[in-house]
Amino acid sequence: QKEVEQNSGPLSVPEGAIASLNCTYSDRVSQSFFWYRQYSGKSPELIMSIYSNGDKEDGRFTAQLNKASQYVSLLIRDSQPSDSATYLCAVNILNDMRFGAGTRLTVKP
Amino acid sequence: GAVVSQHPSWVICKSGTSVKIECRSLDFQATTMFWYRQFPKQSLMLMATSNEGSKATYEQGVEKDKFLINHASLTLSTLTVTSAHPEDSSFYICSALLDSYNEQFFGPGTRLTVL
Repeated sequence: QKEVEQNSGPLSVPEGAIASLNCTYSDRVSQSFFWYRQYSGKSPELIMSIYSNGDKEDGRFTAQLNKASQYVSLLIRDSQPSDSATYLCAVNILNDMRFGAGTRLTVKP
Repeated sequence: GAVVSQHPSWVICKSGTSVKIECRSLDFQATTMFWYRQFPKQSLMLMATSNEGSKATYEQGVEKDKFLINHASLTLSTLTVTSAHPEDSSFYICSALLDSYNEQFFGPGTRLTVL
């Protein structure tokens, strides 16, 4: 089992819809969780970090963490074509950051 | 804040030459930096973890004699690709760890093309 798993997609949503991106991780000792956005040909950009169970909101983005289920998600409300990118889930496991393979999101006008 | 730069942003070199890539944390000190490689349409692959003042830790399968890493200061890490070959052509990305938040911030990447 991979340490961090994401559905590779592509995930396609219409403009204005909610995009839901999911990530599961295998190691229960993980304490820190991150979402990065990577546009094609560019390096990843940190968009959200979450450390405790529950929801964390930042603008149109909401990160959700459920440590019991070893599950972290990212919701993007009012999706825009500019949100089209690959979203990487990252999990800090004993000071070692592990990345998922990423989910490619396309927001169609 | 938390800005990381890389230089050069792209480089083209002949097979057999060595290429050095610099990674700098501009507004914070980073005891730990990371070097990644990404081939087209593939995921990030961690190559090595660079610790200031000590030897880098390489991931399995990464040749430490080919990819030389030096982390001589709290704001600078360098990756030297020695005797580069066409199969080394890739997008090399560094990141720096902001200790207080345990967050990694990425540089803009260096696109290496070996002819």
